[in-house]
Amino acid sequence: NAGVTQTPKFRILKIGQSMTLQCTQDMNHNYMYWYRQDPGMGLKLIYYSVGAGITDKGEVPNGYNVSRSTTEDFPLRLELAAPSQTSVYFCASRAGGETQYFGPGTRLLVL
Amino acid sequence: GNSVTQMEGPVTLSEEAFLTINCTYTATGYPSLFWYVQYPGEGLQLLLKATKADDKGSNKGFEATYRKETTSFHLEKGSVQVSDSAVYFCALLGAGNMLTFGGGTRLMVKP
Repeated sequence: NAGVTQTPKFRILKIGQSMTLQCTQDMNHNYMYWYRQDPGMGLKLIYYSVGAGITDKGEVPNGYNVSRSTTEDFPLRLELAAPSQTSVYFCASRAGGETQYFGPGTRLLVL
Repeated sequence: GNSVTQMEGPVTLSEEAFLTINCTYTATGYPSLFWYVQYPGEGLQLLLKATKADDKGSNKGFEATYRKETTSFHLEKGSVQVSDSAVYFCALLGAGNMLTFGGGTRLMVKP
């Protein structure tokens, strides 16, 4: 049981490039979340999903897209990377209870 | 909207010192409150939680009491260890099962 896994761990992008951050969970959780963590700030919700095929915007969705074709996977897509998207990205999942389980994070640097 | 404010770090303590990390919140209703911990290079892990006023959450020697009258959920530990060095996040669970995080407090414990 690996929990929540994220790839890559670290990535440098040039402005305007695109990339997909991968997130997979093996706990059969229905709920999945993407957060970003800026220095000195708390985590902010980008997108979330309550089950396969269902996604919705969080607090800071602009510049991102998500899909949820399976229960296990919840990829986050950046289409046109901007310096403001330099951050650490965390994926999380939960079952029906209140506790969210977090992945180790992806550090993204946009130059 | 909901918000969480916690003391800025870093907090630097010697081993066996007493720890307090302050956390206050603003929310409608009576949200569940959480402390998450992030060890270096890892994702966030749930440390403890409290779901109603006057509840005390505890785990690994850490404690926090849900104080409705002061809208606070301060984290305490009587004797910290070097292994407690991490970033600690206070969070509340609001409507729609959405977590709102504080900015995080880095704790450094020196031997």
